[in-house]
Amino acid sequence: DTEVTQTPKHLVMGMTNKKSLKCEQHMGHRAMYWYKQKAKKPPELMFVYSYEKLSINESVPSRFSPECPNSSLLNLHLHALQPEDSALYLCASSLPSSANEQFFGPGTRLTVL
Amino acid sequence: KQEVTQIPAALSVPEGENLVLNCSFTDSAIYNLQWFRQDPGKGLTSLLLIQSSQREQTSGRLNASLDKSSGRSTLYIAASQPGDSATYLCAVFSGGGADGLTFGKGTHLIIQP
Repeated sequence: DTEVTQTPKHLVMGMTNKKSLKCEQHMGHRAMYWYKQKAKKPPELMFVYSYEKLSINESVPSRFSPECPNSSLLNLHLHALQPEDSALYLCASSLPSSANEQFFGPGTRLTVL
Repeated sequence: KQEVTQIPAALSVPEGENLVLNCSFTDSAIYNLQWFRQDPGKGLTSLLLIQSSQREQTSGRLNASLDKSSGRSTLYIAASQPGDSATYLCAVFSGGGADGLTFGKGTHLIIQP
């Protein structure tokens, strides 16, 4: 199994809602990542979990809260988002190793009204 | 701070042509470089990964080279096909387990039938 899965595929939420994005991999990878991609822009790193230890990109607002319940599962909890948070949210995983090839999921298209 | 630049930003060529996409990065202290393909609204598909100790990698009609000292990589696509139409992203991995990929802005490729 060389697949990273993400649910839901699409999500529409209001600014007062709380929702969660889910990512799962069964490749035995020990690093998992959240990236945010705005339209016609490259992906930007939000969070990294490596061996279930979190590294935070300090520019990410606190309305985004990651969670790694186990080495195969990664969640992104969303609360009080703004319309400018509308984007494609991509999950990726890697071993990690010196090669550190990252494999991406299909993404969740988020729209904040 | 690592910066990745891709040239050209867009390219349109007739089917059957061989073409070269360029990527440059400012800090040569990288662990690896990955080329991805992204179709509109979709996730990223890994095409090739070149580790810092390697000079090139090949997969089918694709060949990627890496000149780490000069901070350059090229992706060569042979005998282009309409199905190759997509955005091609170059990304470098510079850090340890707490870092993600740094992406270029991509080359939007159109292969005319």
